[in-house]
Amino acid sequence: ILNVEQSPQSLHVQEGDSTNFTCSFPSSNFYALHWYRWETAKSPEALFVMTLNGDEKKKGQISATLNTKEGYSYLYIKGSQPEDSATYLCAFLRSNDYKLSFGAGTTVTVRA
Amino acid sequence: EAGVVQSPRYKIIEKKQPVAFWCNPISGHNTLYWYLQNLGQGPELLIRYENEEAVDDSQLPKDRFSAERLKGVDSTLKIQPAELGDSAVYLCASSLDRHNEQFFGPGTRLTVL
Repeated sequence: ILNVEQSPQSLHVQEGDSTNFTCSFPSSNFYALHWYRWETAKSPEALFVMTLNGDEKKKGQISATLNTKEGYSYLYIKGSQPEDSATYLCAFLRSNDYKLSFGAGTTVTVRA
Repeated sequence: EAGVVQSPRYKIIEKKQPVAFWCNPISGHNTLYWYLQNLGQGPELLIRYENEEAVDDSQLPKDRFSAERLKGVDSTLKIQPAELGDSAVYLCASSLDRHNEQFFGPGTRLTVL
């Protein structure tokens, strides 16, 4: 079992504010780091697949960075909107067996 | 394009009863996954198929769980007999291959009484 840790477990943000949270993962046998967004009553949806150390990806007001040497990734939400409320899952794809291991997620609630 | 389809969406059964879940992946996706998701935790892989071959079933409790993917398309996950601790959300996902992003179905929420 791989240790993929996400923090904080949950956070509340005022509409318009920016926020960020962390995913930590093993620094060995790295192939890729996935981020998914899971809204209530919907299916998890891929946000980013990151493969290179120093990668930065952006989708609308959401962006992510990757540090494979120290084993962490940050997800940033700029100018949070109520529709950004969801659980954000990160997942580590291991290079030796291509098994995807998920963290427990960070649940973001944006208050209007 | 249709996404990953799962049925049923909800299932309530009594313990010791059998139950089956069905998944239809996105057309052309070779890799299919079944995950178990307990409240407050991330999805945990039960089994991964590449085409019709189960390439990783190390986390599948084989005494009561079974799965099949006939002709490398649809898949069925079965539990027989179900136990109280099996209550969870069962997610199916598919991807073009094992390297790519995964596309998830809506899940089946199982309640065992």
